[in-house]
Amino acid sequence: DAMVIQNPRYQVTQFGKPVTLSCSQTLNHNVMYWYQQKSSQAPKLLFHYYDKDFNNEADTPDNFQSRRPNTSFCFLDIRSPGLGDAAMYLCATSTTGVGTDTQYFGPGTRLTVL
Amino acid sequence: GNSVTQMEGPVTLSEEAFLTINCTYTATGYPSLFWYVQYPGEGLQLLLKATKADDKGSNKGFEATYRKETTSFHLEKGSVQVSDSAVYFCALKSGGYQKVTFGIGTKLQVIP
Repeated sequence: DAMVIQNPRYQVTQFGKPVTLSCSQTLNHNVMYWYQQKSSQAPKLLFHYYDKDFNNEADTPDNFQSRRPNTSFCFLDIRSPGLGDAAMYLCATSTTGVGTDTQYFGPGTRLTVL
Repeated sequence: GNSVTQMEGPVTLSEEAFLTINCTYTATGYPSLFWYVQYPGEGLQLLLKATKADDKGSNKGFEATYRKETTSFHLEKGSVQVSDSAVYFCALKSGGYQKVTFGIGTKLQVIP
């Protein structure tokens, strides 16, 4: 089945220690998104890639970076995680064009910062 | 700007009870409307959607009708099961491909 895969499902890091979260997709979608979801809150869009074009949300901290080496993979890098960065990180994909308006989500990575 | 308003949870129901989760929206243009479900510890799964006025989305016994006159997209199910316990997010997409606006989510707990 075509899907969005995130690894790892659970990640523990130390305060200030860089961490990378991974997302891959078999849907061949041209748009990939990273969301941050804190407990009992709606997902918050951090940034997205439209093909190779990176689009940052205005309020996304500089501490968060992303890479998309090819269509299938996208990474979220947190350069110096703080306690406030503990959250669920969700990757999503979509395609563009008429009638294609659904975002498909991965299972998420739960990040714990010690 | 766009916004989605959902009823505050948690909602606790007995098994086989009727479910309604209210959702209203504000948007420019003609948005597409979605319900996503999030089971504990999981990502969001698309439950159903509707792309134009009077459309009814349905899946797994859940239904929602796009009501433009009342700007609403209420989620309903005739008989809930314990396995329906999850958080339900109403969302809309309007304008750019990337702009999905989520509601705050409504937690549903179904007890046997």
